[in-house]
Amino acid sequence: GESVGLHLPTLSVQEGDNSIINCAYSNSASDYFIWYKQESGKGPQFIIDIRSNMDKRQGQRVTVLLNKTVKHLSLQIAATQPGDSAVYFCAENTGGFKTIFGAGTRLFVKA
Amino acid sequence: EPEVTQTPSHQVTQMGQEVILRCVPISNHLYFYWYRQILGQKVEFLVSFYNNEISEKSEIFDDQFSVERPDGSNFTLKIRSTKLEDSAMYFCASSEQASSNQPQHFGDGTRLSIL
Repeated sequence: GESVGLHLPTLSVQEGDNSIINCAYSNSASDYFIWYKQESGKGPQFIIDIRSNMDKRQGQRVTVLLNKTVKHLSLQIAATQPGDSAVYFCAENTGGFKTIFGAGTRLFVKA
Repeated sequence: EPEVTQTPSHQVTQMGQEVILRCVPISNHLYFYWYRQILGQKVEFLVSFYNNEISEKSEIFDDQFSVERPDGSNFTLKIRSTKLEDSAMYFCASSEQASSNQPQHFGDGTRLSIL
């Protein structure tokens, strides 16, 4: 069945270190993947996306990697800052109007 | 930067009552969505809406739920005869293109508490 899940529910990193948040998906038909950041009391905020015809995409301080062979998605945050503390969700779309979210990883940044 | 706005921020309703959650999507967007997030859990898709009709819905979106775009700016979610398990954050989202092509913009949600 279709599902998107995360390996770790929480991740704690030191300020300035790099963060890696992982996500596993099971629907091989998914062709569009998105990472969202959700701060307390706010709605999900778009960070970066990637299509299935790519395996890497970079943004400002963020990189998304897609490994279709093992159905794995990761978000790398460089030089993590206190403002990066939030819950991060991966999400997938199989080409229709339905986006499926993963369970979320809470990132704590220690000063 | 344009935003999706939702009202009210918190709605408290007695079980069995009807509730309407309101959203103003970004003005040039054509695709509209509702999601639900039970406290501490993941964001769950409810419904997508395009061209004045539902384009896709999840198994959560049963006959108790309905959506409407009553005018050119608002997008509403109605829950008839609310149940305790309807208590959650409800997020509205919109996008210029279909969600298979671009990310959605989310509002900050309405917290619905059913007593």
